[in-house]
Amino acid sequence: DTGVSQNPRHKITKRGQNVTFRCDPISEHNRLYWYRQTLGQGPEFLTYFQNEAQLEKSRLLSDRFSAERPKGSFSTLEIQRTEQGDSAMYLCASSLTGTGADTQYFGPGTRLTVL
Amino acid sequence: DAKTTQPNSMESNEEEPVHLPCNHSTISGTDYIHWYRQLPSQGPEYVIHGLTSNVNNRMASLAIAEDRKSSTLILHRATLRDAAVYYCILRPPGNTPLVFGKGTRLSVIA
Repeated sequence: DTGVSQNPRHKITKRGQNVTFRCDPISEHNRLYWYRQTLGQGPEFLTYFQNEAQLEKSRLLSDRFSAERPKGSFSTLEIQRTEQGDSAMYLCASSLTGTGADTQYFGPGTRLTVL
Repeated sequence: DAKTTQPNSMESNEEEPVHLPCNHSTISGTDYIHWYRQLPSQGPEYVIHGLTSNVNNRMASLAIAEDRKSSTLILHRATLRDAAVYYCILRPPGNTPLVFGKGTRLSVIA
């Protein structure tokens, strides 16, 4: 069990640039979630997938954000035309439905800094 | 979303028990009570969850009030590795996304 992995771990970019993050969930987990966490706050839900279908998007997910999970395995989160307010930790989690608690297993996150 | 109230911070001595409270007076009958914790520079990790009865696992115990309007996470012997932010989360059935509050920052003193 290699756990949830996220790449890159850190990303520094200039305002206006596009960035893409990748999340590799625990194999065979059918659900994949994206959250965002700013300093001193708990994580906030952005969106989630069941297999390759994107089932829910938070109102926090502006038009500049897009997420995909093309084959129901890894997922990417892209932010276009980054703004300083996008600076945050982006967390990915995966889970297997039908296991009672639907425990979510989180990756270490990608820390984005927009200059 | 049903809301929870937790103290901002708590402190404990190493090797002593810690009781982390959570108030959730607006809990609905089907909401599960979940606890996650976040160690420094890591993503959150699951600790324990329950519905009505008290629960124990290798990490902690969860004591749920009879009216379910509050609960307490119990760490039986705090270690330095338990220093983290602890989140109490109400979750309706159906594998919904987690709604985190600010949690309780637990400091453990050697």
